[in-house]
Amino acid sequence: GEDVEQSLFLSVREGDSSVINCTYTDSSSTYLYWYKQEPGAGLQLLTYIFSNMDMKQDQRLTVLLNKKDKHLSLRIADTQTGDSAIYFCAETGNYGQNFVFGPGTRLSVLP
Amino acid sequence: GAVVSQHPSWVICKSGTSVKIECRSLDFQATTMFWYRQFPKQSLMLMATSNEGSKATYEQGVEKDKFLINHASLTLSTLTVTSAHPEDSSFYICSANQGGNQPQHFGDGTRLSIL
Repeated sequence: GEDVEQSLFLSVREGDSSVINCTYTDSSSTYLYWYKQEPGAGLQLLTYIFSNMDMKQDQRLTVLLNKKDKHLSLRIADTQTGDSAIYFCAETGNYGQNFVFGPGTRLSVLP
Repeated sequence: GAVVSQHPSWVICKSGTSVKIECRSLDFQATTMFWYRQFPKQSLMLMATSNEGSKATYEQGVEKDKFLINHASLTLSTLTVTSAHPEDSSFYICSANQGGNQPQHFGDGTRLSIL
């Protein structure tokens, strides 16, 4: 079945850029998503990208998609302490039949 | 826009009781609602998918008689944990979308603690 992989931990210093990586196996992925989860809360949709795009930028967030390598990344510019959270990559195949989440990357922002 | 409200946010109850969790889409019609379970420091585990007016589709290993899901309207789905036991203690999260590949929008989760 489909699989989504992420590194589990990332630490960066405040003000630096963070890059969170994700790989997936479903070649029919239509949309790919990034969600943020703060402690004790639900998931907040940060951004998503259609599979025919290779980049999407939204303020401090930049999403890069390499469809050939099935690799997705989320870059957070000027990382702040409020960005500390778990970031989930997710993908859905055609018609949204399967919505698959990665294990989540715990981002720690150091002062 | 696309707000999903989940209630209650935290519930503590005795073993053997049944607990109902509500999930509402406040400003959109949710064709599909999803129920997840999340263990500490782990990713989300999809329990079931429900479409309005239809029976829920449960993932393998999820007991449908234990976790009753009702999706009676386009804005409300409920999850009832029947005869809850301590091993059912977990963080339950719902989400909703307008079908197909539309993004899922999540509630804030319900922390269920069974004593």
